[in-house]
Amino acid sequence: GAGVSQTPSNKVTEKGKYVELRCDPISGHTALYWYRQSLGQGPEFLIYFQGTGAADDSGLPNDRFFAVRPEGSVSTLKIQRTERGDSAVYLCASSLGLLNEQFFGPGTRLTVL
Amino acid sequence: RKEVEQDPGPFNVPEGATVAFNCTYSNSASQSFFWYRQDCRKEPKLLMSVYSSGNEDGRFTAQLNRASQYISLLIRDSKLSDSATYLCVVNTMNTGNQFYFGTGTSLTVIP
Repeated sequence: GAGVSQTPSNKVTEKGKYVELRCDPISGHTALYWYRQSLGQGPEFLIYFQGTGAADDSGLPNDRFFAVRPEGSVSTLKIQRTERGDSAVYLCASSLGLLNEQFFGPGTRLTVL
Repeated sequence: RKEVEQDPGPFNVPEGATVAFNCTYSNSASQSFFWYRQDCRKEPKLLMSVYSSGNEDGRFTAQLNRASQYISLLIRDSKLSDSATYLCVVNTMNTGNQFYFGTGTSLTVIP
């Protein structure tokens, strides 16, 4: 079956621009997670959705970052006024529920020039 | 202090060797523990969950020591295909449902 998909696979933008990153979870998975991974580091938790609501957004670094999941399936991570320090691979994962195995998408590599 | 700490390595071992990785976590209320594997420029994939009594899956053995707040992964009879980064993951639900990843331990199995 289809796994988690993320688009775009690569995004290059200029400092100050707005970007949207999309995640399509595995069908039927109610939990969805966003992570950010920098080179040589493990994934860093950003936000977690259970259904449509953001159950835990404590990992978002500041108010330039926002994520939605309006229908409980596809999620979009939005970054305003991008900065060079936002450059990283943004990973999305989904799971059947709390504490279940997380399945990761291939990630979106964001480069802010 | 980081929630999860791992020795980044790298570990370079010959084929057939046994290698062990440790990971420590800071929150004593952590409830669930995992090892994920990540190949270069790929997404992480679950290797195994870690249970309190310890568990084994083929050549892989995971153990949890709650008193000392560390988990371990033992790989026996290393294969070339085991070369990857191994991520220790800890879940804590008392402040939400956050999964904390370690920085990963790099393993290269040499022919």
